[in-house]
Amino acid sequence: ILNVEQSPQSLHVQEGDSTNFTCSFPSSNFYALHWYRWETAKSPEALFVMTLNGDEKKKGRISATLNTKEGYSYLYIKGSQPEDSATYLCAPSRSGNTPLVFGKGTRLSVIA
Amino acid sequence: DADVTQTPRNRITKTGKRIMLECSQTKGHDRMYWYRQDPGLGLRLIYYSFDVKDINKGEISDGYSVSRQAQAKFSLSLESAIPNQTALYFCATSDLTSPGGTDTQYFGPGTRLTVL
Repeated sequence: ILNVEQSPQSLHVQEGDSTNFTCSFPSSNFYALHWYRWETAKSPEALFVMTLNGDEKKKGRISATLNTKEGYSYLYIKGSQPEDSATYLCAPSRSGNTPLVFGKGTRLSVIA
Repeated sequence: DADVTQTPRNRITKTGKRIMLECSQTKGHDRMYWYRQDPGLGLRLIYYSFDVKDINKGEISDGYSVSRQAQAKFSLSLESAIPNQTALYFCATSDLTSPGGTDTQYFGPGTRLTVL
């Protein structure tokens, strides 16, 4: 089973602050890295999938980068808004024939 | 209509009872998954199926069984429920084989199960 670490576990920021958090995973046998956003009382929803070292993805104020050689990905939120409050999960996989392994997530609270 | 549906959405049962949770999808995906979520433990994989004839154990399969009745249906059973199986259960689907398929998972709304 892949060892996936996400840090910090939780984060409280003020509205308008920019923030970032980390997903660490084994760099060997890397296939893909997924980020999901999970709002309270809802289901996880996909944000990004990245496969290549150096990949960067962006959706509105949220962006992500990938370093497969050292085994980490960063998720950035620029100008946090209360509606960004959610748990952000990362999930790497080792191949197309193995399931994703989810980290425990970073819980973000944005205070108005 | 939702692409991934789960029934029931909530269930309270007693220790020792047999329980079945059902998942249906209209996305046409071959791959289906069952997870449980416990506070502080994130999403843990119970079973997964990459096609109708394929069933695989996940990280925490003990005490659970599954049935893949069709491409669109994947059921999770607790043969004899116990209190530590109280959790939120999610079904998910994904597709790697179609053009552009990325194996991104799409989740159902969840089933909250309480075992007394």
